[in-house]
Amino acid sequence: AQSVTQLGSHVSVSEGALVLLRCNYSSSVPPYLFWYVQYPNQGLQLLLKYTTGATLVKGINGFEAEFKKSETSFHLTKPSAHMSDAAEYFCAVQGGSEKLVFGKGTKLTVNP
Amino acid sequence: DAGITQSPRYKITETGRQVTLMCHQTWSHSYMFWYRQDLGHGLRLIYYSAAADITDKGEVPDGYVVSRSKTENFPLTLESATRSQTSVYFCASSAGQETQYFGPGTRLLVL
Repeated sequence: AQSVTQLGSHVSVSEGALVLLRCNYSSSVPPYLFWYVQYPNQGLQLLLKYTTGATLVKGINGFEAEFKKSETSFHLTKPSAHMSDAAEYFCAVQGGSEKLVFGKGTKLTVNP
Repeated sequence: DAGITQSPRYKITETGRQVTLMCHQTWSHSYMFWYRQDLGHGLRLIYYSAAADITDKGEVPDGYVVSRSKTENFPLTLESATRSQTSVYFCASSAGQETQYFGPGTRLLVL
């Protein structure tokens, strides 16, 4: 069985500051890991994903995430926040099937 | 336009009524999914389908019915709507154990 824990339902940063959104997962098989972003009143859009290979994954809009097996983590980072990054972010795990299991989401606020 | 669409985008109904939410994708993806999104719960899988005429339950299937007679369509029916089914519903599709692509969602209010 798979599960995802996102630490912090709300994160607030200043424009230009580092963004760090935390995600820990549990999986009984080698996982595929995803980060999705949801802007207000929209569907989910893929930011990045890890399947196999390089553990540091780069995505759209300057985001990246590192798969750390020993820590069962897949934290999302961006060096410098922009106002347009304000959204809700979801971490998801896929383990041995086509089904995704989502975390409860982290709402990111970017202050000017 | 290619992609995944949902209709209606907004729906208000009354307790006990039957409601059908539509989902259509143009990629010929074999897999399709229905999720509901609620505050504090993230997205939870209702039903999914691996191919036409193959469907299976997800985490929260009670009160919902699905069908998939054509690869491109995956309607979700609430047979007798309840207030607890007030939610935002998302449809998604994928080619397999790969990225899922999401529709814009349907906001359903059950009075």
